[in-house]
Amino acid sequence: DTAVSQTPKYLVTQMGNDKSIKCEQNLGHDTMYWYKQDSKKFLKIMFSYNNKELIINETVPNRFSPKSPDKAHLNLHINSLELGDSAVYFCASSLRGGASTDTQYFGPGTRLTVL
Amino acid sequence: GQQVMQIPQYQHVQEGEDFTTYCNSSTTLSNIQWYKQRPGGHPVFLIQLVKSGEVKKQKRLTFQFGEAKKNSSLHITATQTTDVGTYFCAGRGFGNEKLTFGTGTRLTIIP
Repeated sequence: DTAVSQTPKYLVTQMGNDKSIKCEQNLGHDTMYWYKQDSKKFLKIMFSYNNKELIINETVPNRFSPKSPDKAHLNLHINSLELGDSAVYFCASSLRGGASTDTQYFGPGTRLTVL
Repeated sequence: GQQVMQIPQYQHVQEGEDFTTYCNSSTTLSNIQWYKQRPGGHPVFLIQLVKSGEVKKQKRLTFQFGEAKKNSSLHITATQTTDVGTYFCAGRGFGNEKLTFGTGTRLTIIP
């Protein structure tokens, strides 16, 4: 019944490793997002996909690579993890995206800790 | 780029007191949304304001969009322990696909 789901919920890993976070939405939305929330709770958009097409790509290190196999899924792969990547990563979706009045539905978050 | 600031960053209030958070954008917004994030949780949509000067109420919560569409506020009357969390405004500029989240106000309630 979950609208936006993410796996895993927690991820603890060593510096230099490569890891992936998966996101799925069953709302039939066209647009999906990845946000990073740091320890001060600032919520920053990283990427947005509309119908599998990348539409927002903020200033994010190219170690981060999103992939959208279909419009219900948006995964995030991170190479060569660094200490500063430790944060909570939220996936979100919205009906249409773009310059609209859509609201965003967030997943439960993935808490990434890099040691 | 567009920046959205909120004040205060933190607010501690006694249960039953009122609470207000203010949101200011560096650019004119086409619409503004408010979200609430409970401790350990994820942001949840509360409301959206579109018109200049718009005021909307949800029970004890009152949301306002400024006349110039560059600022907004959220006022909670007679806070309860269930109001604990971080409140974010999020604004979208005209023709802008990106929703920019404010810096958030973390509300704690002293019982």
